[in-house]
Parts: sequence; structure tokens; C-alpha cells
Amino acid sequence: DIVMTQTPLSLSVTPGQPASISCKSSRSLLHSDGKTYIYWYLQKTGQSPQLLIYEVSNRFSGVPDRFSGSGSGTDFSLSLSRVEAEDVGVYYCMQSIQLPYTFGQGTKLEI
Amino acid sequence: QVQLQQRGAGLLKPSETLSLTCGVSGGSFGGHYWSWIRQAPGKGLEWIGEINHTGSSNYNPSLKGRVTMSVDSSKRQFSLTLTSVTAADTAVYYCARENNRSFFDFWGQGTLVTVSS
Repeated sequence: DIVMTQTPLSLSVTPGQPASISCKSSRSLLHSDGKTYIYWYLQKTGQSPQLLIYEVSNRFSGVPDRFSGSGSGTDFSLSLSRVEAEDVGVYYCMQSIQLPYTFGQGTKLEI
Repeated sequence: QVQLQQRGAGLLKPSETLSLTCGVSGGSFGGHYWSWIRQAPGKGLEWIGEINHTGSSNYNPSLKGRVTMSVDSSKRQFSLTLTSVTAADTAVYYCARENNRSFFDFWGQGTLVTVSS
């Protein structure tokens, strides 16, 4: 299985300040089709996860532009330019280049 | 708008069989794979497996042959069966739609399944 390792596991941020989460995969997520199969989700308390970023840096429908993704190969990051109160929750990276799909351990963002 | 509605028993005894069903409304049913994902209390997300409208399925080897998925395309629903449950199977179970077999874009509401004697 591909292991996804997130750091940090928790993050306390002042509103208006930036934040960044790292995700490293145990093998390259770059497929021969040219896509990189890394995704970012946010799970708010008591809710199902919601997709934020797909294929490294593409924001999903309705996701604010303060969220951005970057990286390549095995090293990726999710950045928030200015954290807002509604951004609290647990952030997960996920790979889907190979079955079984696997997730990072999660990063808990608190204000 | 695509909606996934889960149903199934929430309390089981050890060695019993977990059964959950996910009904899909809106969008295309036949053009996607459909997955089950679970989350143990206070833990991260674990992918259980996927199935498409023809019944083609893939499972997480970590579940060691205890999992079976089925589909009823006429009813736009798919199901999860997990046999011989233990306390370690206590989790919130989610169904989700796969987009292009790449990511999960729509999720069910989640069902808490507790295994306790």
C-alpha cells in the first residue's frame, strides 16, 4: 500500500494568518497519463469529508481561492493564504494512483 | 444534485454481519464507481472497497476477505456486507461516489456502526 504521511498532525492558527500542511507519499503519484493522483479533503466536525483540491492544485467547485495546492512526485502541500474560522476541521490528503486508495493520518486545524 | 442516502443497522454483536445500503439520487449511476469508506472513532479514513454498475468490484486487502459489495442498478443502490465483525470494526461508515476513479465528490451522511456484546 502507498503510505501517506502528513505533517503537522495539528495546527493552531490565528485568523487571517496563513497555514500550510505537508503530505508525503511512499511512491510517486505521477501517472503515465500525466496526472498526479493527489487530493485534499476537509472534514468538519460531525460532517462527511468534502473535496478541496484535486490533482495537486485544482480547486474543486465552490472552494475559496484562499486554498491552494502544490507539489510533485512524492511531496505535496496544501496552503491557506488567510485562515478563517470556518476552515477549522481535519484535513486529509489521499492518493488514488493505486488501489487500495489511502489517506494521510489527518491534520487538525484549530483557531 | 447528487445525493447519497445510507441505511442499515447501527448496533451489532461480535461475529455478526454488518449490512449497509446506499441509495443514489440524481446524476448518472452507471458512469461511476461507488465506494465505501470508514472512520473509526477519533481516527482517520480507511477505504473499504468499490463497485460499479456491472458489479465489478475491488476491496481493500486489509479486510481479509470479510467484505462483499453488491449493486442493484435498477434501484440505483449499492450495498456493503462485512462478516464476522469485532469491536475493531466500530466506525462511521460512509458511501461515496468516485469521479473518474480518482476522487470522491459526493458522500453519504455516514452511519455509525457499533460492535459491542
